[in-house]
Amino acid sequence: SQQGEEDPQALSIQEGENATMNCSYKTSINNLQWYRQNSGRGLVHLILIRSNEREKHSGRLRVTLDTSKKSSSLLITASRAADTASYFCAWGRDTGFQKLVFGTGTRLLVSP
Amino acid sequence: ETGVTQTPRHLVMGMTNKKSLKCEQHLGHNAMYWYKQSAKKPLELMFVYSLEERVENNSVPSRFSPECPNSSHLFLHLHTLQPEDSALYLCASSKGAGSPLHFGNGTRLTVT
Repeated sequence: SQQGEEDPQALSIQEGENATMNCSYKTSINNLQWYRQNSGRGLVHLILIRSNEREKHSGRLRVTLDTSKKSSSLLITASRAADTASYFCAWGRDTGFQKLVFGTGTRLLVSP
Repeated sequence: ETGVTQTPRHLVMGMTNKKSLKCEQHLGHNAMYWYKQSAKKPLELMFVYSLEERVENNSVPSRFSPECPNSSHLFLHLHTLQPEDSALYLCASSKGAGSPLHFGNGTRLTVT
């Protein structure tokens, strides 16, 4: 299977706290991406990290990648109620068209 | 507005019906995708159309038939579906290799 895992499956925190989500994958990759999905809506791309990068930042988001362990993490700092959503990692190859394999997702609930 | 528009947003159909899902993108992308999202399962790639080729997931039943008349439009024709085909069907597009996917808000399909 090309699937991987994300943990935790669900995470509940208070506003202002940090949220960390982890992703593990099984194949060699050229890039890994994180997406967010609000209930019943499409996915929105958050950040892309390439296999030769170890860390990347975007606003309150910090992504790390460890290709030796085939794992990545997404950190959301100073969370807000509006961050409540499901978060998915996806990995793929740059060769040819973009064909991503998605993880199982983490449901994040941020309470005011 | 995501730049990728899917219609209809909701669809209820009987097992003997024939219907089509439509996706349109105005982002100038050259690859379009159909994904299926079922409860408690990872996103499943169904079909990809790019300038170079069409790729399909061999596990997708023949009752799903894609059509891509040009780089901006993508259809998914449905016929004699089963109740287990009920899911959120997501369309996405991308510039190509190494680029993030842009998703529509999906069609929520219910097969009765």
